[in-house]
Amino acid sequence: AQSVTQPDIHITVSEGASLELRCNYSYGATPYLFWYVQSPGQGLQLLLKYFSGDTLVQGIKGFEAEFKRSQSSFNLRKPSVHWSDAAEYFCAVVPGNNDMRFGAGTRLTVKP
Amino acid sequence: DTAVSQTPKYLVTQMGNDKSIKCEQNLGHDTMYWYKQDSKKFLKIMFSYNNKELIINETVPNRFSPKSPDKAHLNLHINSLELGDSAVYFCASSQERGGVDQETQYFGPGTRLLVL
Repeated sequence: AQSVTQPDIHITVSEGASLELRCNYSYGATPYLFWYVQSPGQGLQLLLKYFSGDTLVQGIKGFEAEFKRSQSSFNLRKPSVHWSDAAEYFCAVVPGNNDMRFGAGTRLTVKP
Repeated sequence: DTAVSQTPKYLVTQMGNDKSIKCEQNLGHDTMYWYKQDSKKFLKIMFSYNNKELIINETVPNRFSPKSPDKAHLNLHINSLELGDSAVYFCASSQERGGVDQETQYFGPGTRLLVL
């Protein structure tokens, strides 16, 4: 079945540590790929997106993501996490039918 | 100057009532959307709408109806509210399909609906 998978429901990292949030998709063709962040009680903010071209994309707030076609993955990374990064992170895809699909989300907790 | 705004932010109401949630975007976008986020944070599209077509997710009950007075607004009207309608509802917008940035959606802050 076509899907977007975020394998980690909850991740805890220490402030200053590196972060990687995983996202895998299962669609026939490469969809458009997005990462959104949702802070507690807030809406979704776009961090970055991939349509084509360079497979390493830079986003806001020091985030980056790498598209790997062979692994059908679009993992989000940040070299040094700040306490303000604690939030829910959603991977999203737009496959050929133009209907945005979201992963289940990964909740990030940042320890002092 | 909020790009996508929604009102109200919180809505608490009784079962059986009819309510509306308003959404406005000042981005000049042509397509707008409504999403429902359930208690487990799962996001699911309900509608997408531009001046040419309304696409309805087939799982959405017909108690839910989008109403667009103009291109910048897409309101969500809900009839006969049920307990299971309690959720956070997000509005979003994007440029009309066919542009380079067509698929990037910008979200509103959400409306937290609680049905008692």
